Amino acid sequence: QVELQQWGAGLLKPSETLSLICGVHGATVSNFYWSWIRQVPGRGPEWIGEVDPTGNSYYKPSPRVAIFTNTAANQITLQMTSVTSADTGVYYCARHRRAGFLRDALDLWGRGTTVTVSS
Amino acid sequence: DSQMTQTPSTLSASVGDTVTLTCRSRERIDKWLAWYQVKPGKAPKLLIYMASHLETGVSSRFSGSGSGTDYFLTISSLQPDDSATYYCQQYDSYPYSFGPGTKLE
Repeated sequence: QVELQQWGAGLLKPSETLSLICGVHGATVSNFYWSWIRQVPGRGPEWIGEVDPTGNSYYKPSPRVAIFTNTAANQITLQMTSVTSADTGVYYCARHRRAGFLRDALDLWGRGTTVTVSS
Repeated sequence: DSQMTQTPSTLSASVGDTVTLTCRSRERIDKWLAWYQVKPGKAPKLLIYMASHLETGVSSRFSGSGSGTDYFLTISSLQPDDSATYYCQQYDSYPYSFGPGTKLE
């Protein structure tokens, strides 16, 4: 059974760097594409970006975002620089459904990490 | 990018009812659409992919349909456990985008 465990700092000050880790159990990080998604209260989820099986960010709308993998630890990391209050929300990691396929639905999700940005 | 809208925003129904949720994209997305069920404090759950394909392990009471810009999620024989917020997501073009959700009560 595949499980995604998330952890990272939940309270940040403006201008700090958000860093979240998604630990994968039961699947190999280097076989799949992985995405990060966040949900701001009262709005639909927002896709942040994805990383390919080789560990490189494949596409990410914001230049503040870096996504990469640690294959030895079987983890995916999200870093977001210069956070503001607009970055407050619940952050999820998720797996693209088929091994090696980029364009796919997200079949497994972590439970989410709540991040609050406040001075 | 292809913005997504969902209607209704909230839906009240009774046990045993059949309900249909609507998702509309601004551009054609050629069935590159997924539906997710989200409950507070739980990991989101994939229900439907490619507009109409039921994810393994998901109840057959859930079904998806649609094409072009208009897509639908139908839930039959509603159960209390179906109370959740349902989101559609297009993965036809970057940036992938989600709808604002339909809260089913």
